[in-house]
Amino acid sequence: DVKVTQSSRYLVKRTGEKVFLECVQDMDHENMFWYRQDPGLGLRLIYFSYDVKMKEKGDIPEGYSVSREKKERFSLILESASTNQTSMYLCASSPLPDRGLMGQPQHFGDGTRLSIL
Amino acid sequence: KNEVEQSPQNLTAQEGEFITINCSYSVGISALHWLQQHPGGGIVSLFMLSSGKKKHGRLIATINIQEKHSSLHITASHPRDSAVYICAVPSGYALNFGKGTSLLVTP
Repeated sequence: DVKVTQSSRYLVKRTGEKVFLECVQDMDHENMFWYRQDPGLGLRLIYFSYDVKMKEKGDIPEGYSVSREKKERFSLILESASTNQTSMYLCASSPLPDRGLMGQPQHFGDGTRLSIL
Repeated sequence: KNEVEQSPQNLTAQEGEFITINCSYSVGISALHWLQQHPGGGIVSLFMLSSGKKKHGRLIATINIQEKHSSLHITASHPRDSAVYICAVPSGYALNFGKGTSLLVTP
């Protein structure tokens, strides 16, 4: 089974801190994604990566950056944490499109509930 | 951007009832996904379908490409089906998600 592992289930940080969220997948997937999930807003894409050292902005990249130095690892960085970044963060991975069929099933980690005080 | 709308937002049913959750989208797609999220848990993919119908146990997903509409049905619902059900459509390499339907099945 595909396993996507996020480094922490719960994390509490202070305003202004630099925060790192780590995600590792074990299925050699090319694509990796970071989402945040908020009540009433659903899942929103922050950043994704389709290859090592490649990244693309999603719908809400402001205040975040990412790093993908190795294929299996995708890190989300909050450069200077703010209270409005308190949320559930979910990492996902998927293989490349199969025969041009875009949007392959994504495999999710268990999520990190981040609180910024 | 492909807008994805789900209905209803919240649904309460008694054990044994037949349940239907609806999803509509604005732009033609190659495939649609249904996912499930249990309280406090991660998200799992239930179905990926591009036409017709798929069945897995008591779950049935249908799609009408022309009408840009999909439904997820649960037959003989059980309290363990209580979860948030999310539909999603491709958006480049990523997926664009609906806001989810929160289902509570009571004994």
